[in-house]
Amino acid sequence: DGGITQSPKYLFRKEGQNVTLSCEQNLNHDAMYWYRQDPGQGLRLIYYSQIVNDFQKGDIAEGYSVSREKKESFPLTVTSAQKNPTAFYLCASSTGTGRVGELFFGEGSRLTVL
Amino acid sequence: QKEVEQNSGPLSVPEGAIASLNCTYSDRGSQSFFWYRQYSGKSPELIMFIYSNGDKEDGRFTAQLNKASQYVSLLIRDSQPSDSATYLCAVPEYGNKLVFGAGTILRVKS
Repeated sequence: DGGITQSPKYLFRKEGQNVTLSCEQNLNHDAMYWYRQDPGQGLRLIYYSQIVNDFQKGDIAEGYSVSREKKESFPLTVTSAQKNPTAFYLCASSTGTGRVGELFFGEGSRLTVL
Repeated sequence: QKEVEQNSGPLSVPEGAIASLNCTYSDRGSQSFFWYRQYSGKSPELIMFIYSNGDKEDGRFTAQLNKASQYVSLLIRDSQPSDSATYLCAVPEYGNKLVFGAGTILRVKS
């Protein structure tokens, strides 16, 4: 079945550690996105990529990094510079230009800082 | 950056009633609008989109767009307890990005 796979679903991090969240899609979509969701809030865009080897900062990119070396993969690293990383992280993809509103989401990764 | 505003709720309706969810947006030039449903602890899923003024119906769901007043609504007819979720309104932004509202919590009571 086609879809987006995020891992891990739950992750605990000690302060000062970097962690990487995995996102893989087999939908053959060009565009991929990372959103962060805090309790009672909507989705805020961290980074997005419209094509392999290219990505752009979203509204809250500070303390995060990404790479897009393969069309299928868009991992997100939460660095120690992110001061409040506890949140629900969602990866999404779309076919790209003209269909940007039609996002397909993974199941999410819930990160907790101890 | 475009702004998308939603009443956080919760909106409580009895089973079988019509639930009306509203969303306002800041950019008068916005052309398309999307509604996502998110169950507690789950990821959002697209349920409706609308591009032109007026109504668009899909089963029990109707999206209404009024560009002059800059609001878009989602009506859910014959509401069921399984419709209880957070409904997110979203608008595309320049650069192929999607901006989300904070969402409205809907509770359908049986």
